[in-house]
Amino acid sequence: GAVVSQHPSWVICKSGTSVKIECRSLDFQATTMFWYRQFPKQSLMLMATSNEGSKATYEQGVEKDKFLINHASLTLSTLTVTSAHPEDSSFYICSARDMGARWDTQYFGPGTRLTVL
Amino acid sequence: DAKTTQPTSMDCAEGRAANLPCNHSTISGNEYVYWYRQIHSQGPQYIIHGLKNNETNEMASLIITEDRKSSTLILPHATLRDTAVYYCIVRGNRRNNAGNMLTFGGGTRLMVKP
Repeated sequence: GAVVSQHPSWVICKSGTSVKIECRSLDFQATTMFWYRQFPKQSLMLMATSNEGSKATYEQGVEKDKFLINHASLTLSTLTVTSAHPEDSSFYICSARDMGARWDTQYFGPGTRLTVL
Repeated sequence: DAKTTQPTSMDCAEGRAANLPCNHSTISGNEYVYWYRQIHSQGPQYIIHGLKNNETNEMASLIITEDRKSSTLILPHATLRDTAVYYCIVRGNRRNNAGNMLTFGGGTRLMVKP
């Protein structure tokens, strides 16, 4: 199946710093990628939809100036958590739509665990 | 997207079939049933999807009722590695529809026991 990678797999940072997370589709092109956040013992919550070459679409309640998304190529989307605070500590997961496949299927990355001290 | 209802948790003995139910009584005609699973601290993994016919692949079988208001995911011979949260999701499947988002509910926590 299609492979999506994320980097880093985990990161610990100090409060007030910015953290960048990369999401790559390794063997397919993805014009659309999605960013999710998952707190402990909760389900995945969609944060934003990342479209190649255009601005991301954010879900209600997600601050676009805090969670910067860049989708500069068909295989790479980045999420930057700016001025991170402890409440931003979470499991961040991306997914990518394989538009070349017969079915519109999303494939997920392994996730990035962010801990803000 | 239609809402789905799943049991919070289920247990299954190793080697036995695991049958995970899902209710989606408000599903519309062009919506598909998707199943994903999430093993602890990993990203969700696609399992299978279907519209109205039963589907089978190397991972599982999907049985959809004739009225499409419910479905069952079957893992024919569950192993300890199948312990995960299983999500049943209903969504459209048009390839040019950017709105085909996946909305995750609570899922079913399947515990496979030796």
